[in-house]
Amino acid sequence: KAGVTQTPRYLIKTRGQQVTLSCSPISGHRSVSWYQQTPGQGLQFLFEYFSETQRNKGNFPGRFSGRQFSNSRSEMNVSTLELGDSALYLCASSQGSRNTEAFFGQGTRLTVV
Amino acid sequence: AQKITQTQPGMFVQEKEAVTLDCTYDTSDPSYGLFWYKQPSSGEMIFLIYQGSYDQQNATEGRYSLNFQKARKSANLVISASQLGDSAMYFCAMREETGGGADGLTFGKGTHLIIQP
Repeated sequence: KAGVTQTPRYLIKTRGQQVTLSCSPISGHRSVSWYQQTPGQGLQFLFEYFSETQRNKGNFPGRFSGRQFSNSRSEMNVSTLELGDSALYLCASSQGSRNTEAFFGQGTRLTVV
Repeated sequence: AQKITQTQPGMFVQEKEAVTLDCTYDTSDPSYGLFWYKQPSSGEMIFLIYQGSYDQQNATEGRYSLNFQKARKSANLVISASQLGDSAMYFCAMREETGGGADGLTFGKGTHLIIQP
Protein backbone atom coordinates (compact mmCIF):
# COMPACT_ATOMS: atom_id res chain seq x y z
CA LYS A 1 0.00 0.00 0.00
CA ALA A 2 1.56 3.27 -1.11
CA GLY A 3 2.12 5.95 1.49
CA VAL A 4 1.41 9.65 1.34
CA THR A 5 3.17 11.30 -1.58
CA GLN A 6 4.10 14.95 -1.64
CA THR A 7 5.55 16.75 -4.62
CA PRO A 8 7.84 18.43 -5.16
CA ARG A 9 10.27 17.61 -2.37
CA TYR A 10 12.17 20.88 -2.66
CA LEU A 11 11.31 24.29 -4.03
CA ILE A 12 13.08 27.61 -4.24
CA LYS A 13 10.91 30.61 -5.04
CA THR A 14 11.34 34.36 -5.10
CA ARG A 15 9.41 36.79 -2.92
CA GLY A 16 6.13 37.75 -4.53
CA GLN A 17 5.77 34.56 -6.53
CA GLN A 18 3.15 31.97 -5.92
CA VAL A 19 3.57 28.24 -5.38
CA THR A 20 1.44 25.11 -5.54
CA LEU A 21 2.22 21.99 -3.55
CA SER A 22 0.62 18.61 -4.11
CA CYS A 23 -0.33 15.76 -1.78
CA SER A 24 -1.66 12.33 -2.73
CA PRO A 25 -3.11 10.53 0.29
CA ILE A 26 -3.09 6.84 1.06
CA SER A 27 -5.60 4.98 -1.08
CA GLY A 28 -8.99 4.99 0.61
CA HIS A 29 -8.21 7.94 2.85
CA ARG A 30 -10.58 10.82 2.41
CA SER A 31 -9.07 13.38 4.76
CA VAL A 32 -6.00 15.47 3.97
CA SER A 33 -4.56 17.99 6.38
CA TRP A 34 -1.72 20.44 5.78
CA TYR A 35 0.84 21.65 8.28
CA GLN A 36 3.64 24.20 8.26
CA GLN A 37 6.79 23.48 10.22
CA THR A 38 9.31 26.20 11.05
CA PRO A 39 12.07 26.30 13.65
CA GLY A 40 10.41 29.20 15.44
CA GLN A 41 6.75 28.22 15.41
CA GLY A 42 7.02 24.45 15.27
CA LEU A 43 4.23 22.50 13.59
CA GLN A 44 1.11 24.49 12.85
CA PHE A 45 -2.16 23.35 11.34
CA LEU A 46 -3.04 25.03 8.05
CA PHE A 47 -6.29 23.40 6.92
CA GLU A 48 -8.08 20.10 6.53
CA TYR A 49 -10.06 18.76 3.61
CA PHE A 50 -12.57 15.95 3.62
CA SER A 51 -14.50 14.85 0.56
CA GLU A 52 -13.47 17.97 -1.37
CA THR A 53 -14.66 20.31 1.38
CA GLN A 54 -12.50 22.41 3.64
CA ARG A 55 -13.63 21.55 7.14
CA ASN A 56 -11.41 23.87 9.08
CA LYS A 57 -8.57 26.31 8.73
CA GLY A 58 -5.79 27.33 11.06
CA ASN A 59 -4.65 30.84 11.83
CA PHE A 60 -3.00 31.69 8.53
CA PRO A 61 -3.58 34.59 6.15
CA GLY A 62 -5.73 34.29 3.07
CA ARG A 63 -2.61 33.91 0.92
CA PHE A 64 -2.69 30.27 1.98
CA SER A 65 -5.39 28.27 0.25
CA GLY A 66 -6.05 24.74 -0.79
CA ARG A 67 -8.39 22.38 -2.49
CA GLN A 68 -9.15 18.70 -2.72
CA PHE A 69 -10.12 16.75 -5.80
CA SER A 70 -12.59 13.92 -6.20
CA ASN A 71 -9.75 11.37 -5.98
CA SER A 72 -8.80 12.89 -2.59
CA ARG A 73 -5.58 14.39 -3.90
CA SER A 74 -5.03 17.84 -2.45
CA GLU A 75 -3.16 20.93 -3.47
CA MET A 76 -2.01 23.82 -1.36
CA ASN A 77 -1.33 27.23 -2.85
CA VAL A 78 0.56 30.15 -1.38
CA SER A 79 0.34 33.45 -3.22
CA THR A 80 2.58 36.51 -2.91
CA LEU A 81 5.31 34.59 -1.14
CA GLU A 82 7.13 36.16 1.78
CA LEU A 83 10.49 35.22 3.26
CA GLY A 84 8.68 33.95 6.34
CA ASP A 85 6.85 31.36 4.28
CA SER A 86 10.07 29.36 4.07
CA ALA A 87 9.23 26.14 5.84
CA LEU A 88 8.67 22.43 5.59
CA TYR A 89 5.10 21.82 4.46
CA LEU A 90 3.68 18.48 5.50
CA CYS A 91 0.45 16.85 4.58
CA ALA A 92 -1.27 14.13 6.57
CA SER A 93 -3.73 11.55 5.35
CA SER A 94 -6.36 9.76 7.40
CA GLN A 95 -9.58 7.90 6.83
CA GLY A 96 -11.42 10.89 8.17
CA SER A 97 -13.54 9.14 10.71
CA ARG A 98 -12.94 9.54 14.39
CA ASN A 99 -10.17 7.78 16.22
CA THR A 100 -8.00 6.91 13.28
CA GLU A 101 -4.30 7.24 12.70
CA ALA A 102 -2.90 10.05 10.58
CA PHE A 103 0.06 9.40 8.28
CA PHE A 104 2.37 12.05 6.90
CA GLY A 105 4.20 12.47 3.65
CA GLN A 106 7.88 13.35 3.39
CA GLY A 107 7.08 17.03 3.08
CA THR A 108 7.94 19.80 0.68
CA ARG A 109 10.74 22.07 1.76
CA LEU A 110 10.02 25.56 0.45
CA THR A 111 12.69 28.24 0.46
CA VAL A 112 11.72 31.80 -0.40
CA VAL A 113 14.58 34.08 -1.39
CA ALA B 1 -3.34 27.82 26.40
CA GLN B 2 -0.79 25.25 25.33
CA LYS B 3 -2.55 22.01 24.64
CA ILE B 4 0.46 19.72 24.35
CA THR B 5 3.47 20.04 26.61
CA GLN B 6 6.73 18.21 26.10
CA THR B 7 9.04 19.22 28.90
CA GLN B 8 12.22 17.57 27.62
CA PRO B 9 13.82 19.61 24.82
CA GLY B 10 16.62 17.07 24.54
CA MET B 11 17.69 13.71 25.92
CA PHE B 12 20.85 11.64 25.76
CA VAL B 13 20.35 7.92 26.32
CA GLN B 14 22.71 4.99 26.20
CA GLU B 15 22.03 2.41 23.51
CA LYS B 16 19.88 -0.55 24.65
CA GLU B 17 18.41 1.40 27.54
CA ALA B 18 14.69 2.12 27.77
CA VAL B 19 13.55 5.68 27.13
CA THR B 20 10.50 7.56 28.37
CA LEU B 21 9.49 10.73 26.56
CA ASP B 22 7.05 12.88 28.48
CA CYS B 23 3.86 14.39 27.13
CA THR B 24 0.99 16.08 28.93
CA TYR B 25 -2.08 17.46 27.23
CA ASP B 26 -5.01 19.69 27.95
CA THR B 27 -8.49 19.33 26.51
CA SER B 28 -12.11 19.52 27.56
CA ASP B 29 -13.21 17.34 24.68
CA PRO B 30 -14.20 13.88 26.00
CA SER B 31 -13.22 12.27 22.70
CA TYR B 32 -9.68 12.73 21.48
CA GLY B 33 -6.75 10.89 20.00
CA LEU B 34 -3.13 11.04 21.04
CA PHE B 35 -0.27 10.44 18.62
CA TRP B 36 3.47 10.11 18.67
CA TYR B 37 5.61 10.82 15.64
CA LYS B 38 9.29 10.46 14.94
CA GLN B 39 11.00 12.97 12.69
CA PRO B 40 14.53 12.12 11.59
CA SER B 41 16.77 14.74 10.04
CA SER B 42 15.31 13.93 6.61
CA GLY B 43 12.11 15.67 7.70
CA GLU B 44 9.57 12.92 7.20
CA MET B 45 7.07 12.52 10.05
CA ILE B 46 6.87 8.83 10.87
CA PHE B 47 3.77 7.63 12.70
CA LEU B 48 4.67 5.57 15.76
CA ILE B 49 1.62 4.97 17.91
CA TYR B 50 -1.96 6.08 18.52
CA GLN B 51 -4.13 6.07 21.66
CA GLY B 52 -7.81 6.90 21.69
CA SER B 53 -9.29 8.56 24.74
CA TYR B 54 -11.75 5.70 25.20
CA ASP B 55 -9.20 2.94 24.77
CA GLN B 56 -9.02 0.90 27.94
CA GLN B 57 -5.57 -0.50 27.34
CA ASN B 58 -2.31 1.25 26.64
CA ALA B 59 -1.33 1.14 22.99
CA THR B 60 1.74 -0.85 21.95
CA GLU B 61 3.54 -1.11 18.62
CA GLY B 62 6.66 -3.24 18.68
CA ARG B 63 9.26 -1.46 20.83
CA TYR B 64 6.93 1.50 21.36
CA SER B 65 4.30 1.73 24.05
CA LEU B 66 2.19 4.62 25.22
CA ASN B 67 1.74 5.05 28.95
CA PHE B 68 -1.73 6.61 28.98
CA GLN B 69 -2.82 8.11 32.29
CA LYS B 70 -6.12 9.79 31.53
CA ALA B 71 -6.74 11.35 34.93
CA ARG B 72 -3.32 12.98 34.84
CA LYS B 73 -3.69 13.89 31.15
CA SER B 74 -0.43 12.21 30.44
CA ALA B 75 0.61 10.22 27.35
CA ASN B 76 4.27 9.29 27.69
CA LEU B 77 6.04 7.33 24.97
CA VAL B 78 8.21 4.45 26.10
CA ILE B 79 10.84 3.03 23.77
CA SER B 80 12.28 -0.25 24.94
CA ALA B 81 15.84 -1.34 24.11
CA SER B 82 16.82 1.86 22.32
CA GLN B 83 18.84 1.69 19.10
CA LEU B 84 21.13 4.18 17.38
CA GLY B 85 18.48 4.59 14.68
CA ASP B 86 16.06 5.94 17.27
CA SER B 87 17.96 9.23 17.33
CA ALA B 88 15.49 11.83 16.05
CA MET B 89 12.95 14.45 17.08
CA TYR B 90 9.85 13.03 18.71
CA PHE B 91 6.55 14.83 18.68
CA CYS B 92 3.47 14.24 20.77
CA ALA B 93 0.21 15.37 19.17
CA MET B 94 -3.48 15.43 19.94
CA ARG B 95 -6.61 15.63 17.85
CA GLU B 96 -9.93 16.56 19.42
CA GLU B 97 -12.50 14.28 17.85
CA THR B 98 -15.82 15.94 18.59
CA GLY B 99 -16.73 17.56 15.32
CA GLY B 100 -14.93 14.89 13.36
CA GLY B 101 -11.39 15.95 14.12
CA ALA B 102 -11.58 18.85 11.72
CA ASP B 103 -9.22 20.97 13.78
CA GLY B 104 -6.28 18.84 12.84
CA LEU B 105 -3.43 17.79 15.05
CA THR B 106 -1.98 20.00 17.76
CA PHE B 107 1.70 19.29 18.28
CA GLY B 108 4.08 19.73 21.15
CA LYS B 109 7.47 21.39 20.70
CA GLY B 110 9.20 18.04 20.45
CA THR B 111 12.01 16.18 22.21
CA HIS B 112 15.35 15.71 20.51
CA LEU B 113 16.48 12.19 21.42
CA ILE B 114 20.09 11.18 20.91
CA ILE B 115 21.09 7.57 21.43
CA GLN B 116 24.73 7.13 22.34
CA PRO B 117 26.72 3.94 21.61
